[in-house]
Amino acid sequence: SQQGEEDPQALSIQEGENATMNCSYKTSINNLQWYRQNSGRGLVHLILIRSNEREKHSGRLRVTLDTSKKSSSLLITASRAADTASYFCATDVVGYALNFGKGTSLLVTP
Amino acid sequence: DAMVIQNPRYQVTQFGKPVTLSCSQTLNHNVMYWYQQKSSQAPKLLFHYYDKDFNNEADTPDNFQSRRPNTSFCFLDIRSPGLGDAAMYLCATESSGTNNEQFFGPGTRLTVL
Repeated sequence: SQQGEEDPQALSIQEGENATMNCSYKTSINNLQWYRQNSGRGLVHLILIRSNEREKHSGRLRVTLDTSKKSSSLLITASRAADTASYFCATDVVGYALNFGKGTSLLVTP
Repeated sequence: DAMVIQNPRYQVTQFGKPVTLSCSQTLNHNVMYWYQQKSSQAPKLLFHYYDKDFNNEADTPDNFQSRRPNTSFCFLDIRSPGLGDAAMYLCATESSGTNNEQFFGPGTRLTVL
């Protein structure tokens, strides 16, 4: 069953601006992951944040996790046209199955 | 490079005609997943293998079957495709004992005529 829900559903920004996407989930998690999907392609893992972590960085990506609010955010700084894609959060609850949200569609225009 | 490969990338079949999608991996991961993803929706897990153990999701239709003859290969069989089965099918792998990071193939886009 779907656990995560991203917000906004769609986001349009210009190159150089920052993009922020949010994810909310319903139950306790072991970790939360963010994936990117280019149109018509598979998903690519971006970053994982454990339940005992509050913030994590990877290059231009910054992820925060607030377990008390059951929410996470993904910030992409200094966005580029190549960042245009759909971004999904996925929560690891029990066992091996990840629960994916519906995703945020990001459009970065030159 | 180690990777997850899906063939074909695009598959067209007729209503009711069986179709098989394939996935292979060079990562030597012991867990393999099949997801169905419809337009603008989240990937939906159909089933997964943990080594040879098959795990079917409760709401996966009986029309969908899977085979894993060895570590490297996994197949998705759709016995009688309906129009509602048109979707992107994604294969993913994972090494158990890690952080559940999954490695995805490029997907197979299935069209049902």
